[in-house]
Amino acid sequence: DAGVTQSPTHLIKTRGQQVTLRCSPISGHKSVSWYQQVLGQGPQFIFQYYEKEERGRGNFPDRFSARQFPNYSSELNVNALLLGDSALYLCASSLGSVRTEAFFGQGTRLTVV
Amino acid sequence: GEDVEQSLFLSVREGDSSVINCTYTDSSSTYLYWYKQEPGAGLQLLTYIFSNMDMKQDQRLTVLLNKKDKHLSLRIADTQTGDSAIYFCAESKEGSQGNLIFGKGTKLSVKP
Repeated sequence: DAGVTQSPTHLIKTRGQQVTLRCSPISGHKSVSWYQQVLGQGPQFIFQYYEKEERGRGNFPDRFSARQFPNYSSELNVNALLLGDSALYLCASSLGSVRTEAFFGQGTRLTVV
Repeated sequence: GEDVEQSLFLSVREGDSSVINCTYTDSSSTYLYWYKQEPGAGLQLLTYIFSNMDMKQDQRLTVLLNKKDKHLSLRIADTQTGDSAIYFCAESKEGSQGNLIFGKGTKLSVKP
């Protein structure tokens, strides 16, 4: 069975640009969460979507947005990129919205120059 | 302060046991997880424990939970060089809609 897949694996963008990251959850999983992992730190929660609705939002600015599609895949959008947005962006999928194991993808490494 | 705290480094010899420790502050945490991250990779779920359990064993891995002290540990028996990685402790809080709070990770180095 395919695990969580994320695309692209690496990305380089310029300050001020916009970026879209994509995630396909494990088949049958309805919840997708996004995390930002800055070098040397643990992942920080950005969003959770369940059944196409936002169920949780972390402490991130409005430049960050996400959505979930009918097939449960998800996109994370970041506008007006800053140098500080450079990080590994991780997507996690789980069966339900709460208290279930979360399985992570390999991540998208975003570098803002 | 940090919700989840871990020591940053641990070095052991191949064949020894490794014990990675974690403390958390929220007594309402329901699930506690251990993840492994190898260089340049995503997170691999190793094991988890529900907050009403004291211990969970899975092959070489043993998780101990002390709810009174809010202390979680991961013991890796017969540590191998392939176990070298960063290990993250994470908690899932009641009512948090499933988002995980991670520690900064413990870098485990296994010397041959």
